[in-house]
Amino acid sequence: DGGITQSPKYLFRKEGQNVTLSCEQNLNHDAMYWYRQDPGQGLRLIYYSQIVNDFQKGDIAEGYSVSREKKESFPLTVTSAQKNPTAFYLCASSPHGQGRHEQYFGPGTRLTVT
Amino acid sequence: DAKTTQPTSMDCAEGRAANLPCNHSTISGNEYVYWYRQIHSQGPQYIIHGLKNNETNEMASLIITEDRKSSTLILPHATLRDTAVYYCIVRSKVPSGNQFYFGTGTSLTVIP
Repeated sequence: DGGITQSPKYLFRKEGQNVTLSCEQNLNHDAMYWYRQDPGQGLRLIYYSQIVNDFQKGDIAEGYSVSREKKESFPLTVTSAQKNPTAFYLCASSPHGQGRHEQYFGPGTRLTVT
Repeated sequence: DAKTTQPTSMDCAEGRAANLPCNHSTISGNEYVYWYRQIHSQGPQYIIHGLKNNETNEMASLIITEDRKSSTLILPHATLRDTAVYYCIVRSKVPSGNQFYFGTGTSLTVIP
């Protein structure tokens, strides 16, 4: 089955700890994205990557870091510097560069930091 | 990317057509209209997109006005599983920033 997987679905951490959220896709998509969604709000872009070993900051990158060592994987680390890390995190991929730009989303990870 | 305006919420009877409007009066010539929906606590799902011609796929139809300042997403026979937040987004195919700007969308409730 082709798709995007995010794990885990729910994650709980203590304040001050770094945490890494997983995102994997087997769609052979070039571009991958991380969004954050807060209750009742739209999505806000954290980071995106158009190609392996390259990534760009989105609107709210502070307190987050990413890597793109493989085409299939785009993990997001929420660091202790992120002031309000509790949120719903969504990963997406897109066949960008193949003439299409619609994004396909994973099921999301709900992170709670106390 | 152009901004969009959607009603905050709508209801639709099960089995009837759901017509979701979107205004995008500042859309430019190279910007497409995309529709996504998000069922509670899940990732958004791509539905359809178009430039100026009407489009139809297995999920929905997209009607874009001739002046392209507004569009309507049509779910022809709404079911309870269509209850979700629907987002209308306009962006170019050669975007700057490479992101989709998701606003607060329209919360559609399908009523039995």
